[in-house]
Amino acid sequence: SQTIHQWPATLVQPVGSPLSLECTVEGTSNPNLYWYRQAAGRGLQLLFYSVGIGQISSEVPQNLSASRPQDRQFILSSKKLLLSDSGFYLCAWSTRDRIFQPQHFGDGTRLSIL
Amino acid sequence: AQKVTQAQTEISVVEKEDVTLDCVYETRDTTYYLFWYKQPPSGELVFLIRRNSFDEQNEISGRYSWNFQKSTSSFNFTITASQVVDSAVYFCALSEALNRDDKIIFGKGTRLHILP
Repeated sequence: SQTIHQWPATLVQPVGSPLSLECTVEGTSNPNLYWYRQAAGRGLQLLFYSVGIGQISSEVPQNLSASRPQDRQFILSSKKLLLSDSGFYLCAWSTRDRIFQPQHFGDGTRLSIL
Repeated sequence: AQKVTQAQTEISVVEKEDVTLDCVYETRDTTYYLFWYKQPPSGELVFLIRRNSFDEQNEISGRYSWNFQKSTSSFNFTITASQVVDSAVYFCALSEALNRDDKIIFGKGTRLHILP
């Protein structure tokens, strides 16, 4: 069966520090991968998605970036964090075998910027 | 334009009551899928159901049921005999054929409190 791992679970970082959140998927090949942010207002905002190694699409301009160095690995990064980067970050995957498949989510990372 | 509206931001009911969560969607596509997800206090999103635009049959799964009506562009979710463990944020979502890469548009969610 497929599983998705996301770490760390919680992170407290000072403003201006770098960020690296990692997500890996097991049990499937060539998945679609997604990064979402959920601010205190509860809604989910799609940040990046990837359909393959090295292929990243950005949904909103920001100081975050994403990379996919391996088929089942998706990394969210920042060189300098802002206060507004605080939130709950969720990684998700969906299969490319068929369309309209649900996305399956990791447990999330709670990021607090001080 | 695609859009998912969950007008109820927060609902509180007493345990064992039935509760319906509303979802209204907008799409220009004739082929699309609708989803419901549950986000318990622990934070992870749990997939509950997927429904395609050509299947308007209502679905029941235990205490959960879903009412899909294309005429009103609604996909409502009812929990029967609610339990405290049902307390969570529930998201309705839409995926269109015109969207590439299976992107899903989420509503803003409804926070459901089940009071003991």
